[in-house]
Amino acid sequence: EAGVVQSPRYKIIEKKQPVAFWCNPISGHNTLYWYLQNLGQGPELLIRYENEEAVDDSQLPKDRFSAERLKGVDSTLKIQPAELGDSAVYLCASSQSQWNEQFFGPGTRLTVL
Amino acid sequence: KQEVTQIPAALSVPEGENLVLNCSFTDSAIYNLQWFRQDPGKGLTSLLLIQSSQREQTSGRLNASLDKSSGRSTLYIAASQPGDSATYLCAPKESNYQLIWGAGTKLIIKP
Repeated sequence: EAGVVQSPRYKIIEKKQPVAFWCNPISGHNTLYWYLQNLGQGPELLIRYENEEAVDDSQLPKDRFSAERLKGVDSTLKIQPAELGDSAVYLCASSQSQWNEQFFGPGTRLTVL
Repeated sequence: KQEVTQIPAALSVPEGENLVLNCSFTDSAIYNLQWFRQDPGKGLTSLLLIQSSQREQTSGRLNASLDKSSGRSTLYIAASQPGDSATYLCAPKESNYQLIWGAGTKLIIKP
């Protein structure tokens, strides 16, 4: 069974440019999460989806970050415009429901110059 | 506010030793707890999930225990191997479904 798929794996952009990350969760997983991870720290939740509904986006910086999961499967996280401080690893995870074990993708390492 | 502490922050042991990684959390009202490993530059791999009603969970050479009332979990690794070298993170899940993360224990197994 395929795991959580993310692309791209690496992205280098200049500040003020837009960037988008894509995630395909494990088949049948209704819950999808986007996290941000800085070096040497644990992940920080940005947004959680139950099917296509964003049920927890309280920690998403909505002035520049947006996310969507239109058909309740794939999801896209966008940053526009990117700032230097956005450099981090962006992780996507999925689970059968909010109660179940979370499985993570390999992440996208973003560098903003 | 839930706080998660992992001790030690780093550990280096010779191959073959049994070892214990510790995780403590301040709020015992958790739903479950997951242990993950993270290799450098990689994503997180789920190792074990313990429900709040469970005391132990085993997978191969790994055994995780949970004492919810005292706010502690341990990850026991038997007969350690160089391939076990990674950062290990524990993450209790709160009733609002959020995982709260420790900073991790960086483990190095010397051949």
